[in-house]
Amino acid sequence: GAVVSQHPSWVICKSGTSVKIECRSLDFQATTMFWYRQFPKQSLMLMATSNEGSKATYEQGVEKDKFLINHASLTLSTLTVTSAHPEDSSFYICSARPISGQETQYFGPGTRLLVL
Amino acid sequence: LAKTTQPISMDSYEGQEVNITCSHNNIATNDYITWYQQFPSQGPRFIIQGYKTKVTNEVASLFIPADRKSSTLSLPRVSLSDTAVYYCLVGDPIRGTPLVFGKGTRLSVIA
Repeated sequence: GAVVSQHPSWVICKSGTSVKIECRSLDFQATTMFWYRQFPKQSLMLMATSNEGSKATYEQGVEKDKFLINHASLTLSTLTVTSAHPEDSSFYICSARPISGQETQYFGPGTRLLVL
Repeated sequence: LAKTTQPISMDSYEGQEVNITCSHNNIATNDYITWYQQFPSQGPRFIIQGYKTKVTNEVASLFIPADRKSSTLSLPRVSLSDTAVYYCLVGDPIRGTPLVFGKGTRLSVIA
């Protein structure tokens, strides 16, 4: 139980294009999902908190117009990197908090983005 | 800012017990302590969670003293496959506050 998936697992795109990453909770419903970014040899950095049916809350320094987050259902959140540039190349990881609220967060496998 | 402090790295031989201690001096009353394991190019994997005293599951034990200002993750008889980064986090699972990651502890298991 408590499985979170991400799609795609890796993506290569040209500079200036937009990339959408999906995060799904497969066997539970999640009121809240979180998006993190991780650069090589570094820890995970929280980007934003996504609540179903409402606007995401972004961490300081994260551009909301560049990283569009949509949380349309209790099992799906999407992160769109708009007009991607090479400096956006990173490992993007989502996590989901079960609706029960009694448990911890479960993380997806991550999506490797490479912008050329 | 991360709410926890851990050793940057640790080395251990196969078959030994490994104890990783985490400091969380400003832990709030409603915060739980959660440990995750991360392999390269993978998302963090939940190991164990606790609030106080001792918690044990099939892979690890978590020891939390009465003041809850620190905790210790104990991995019995580690193997090479336990080489990973281990993160200690504190947060309120009821409120669903985001988990803020510190630098973690890089455990290297040597044959």
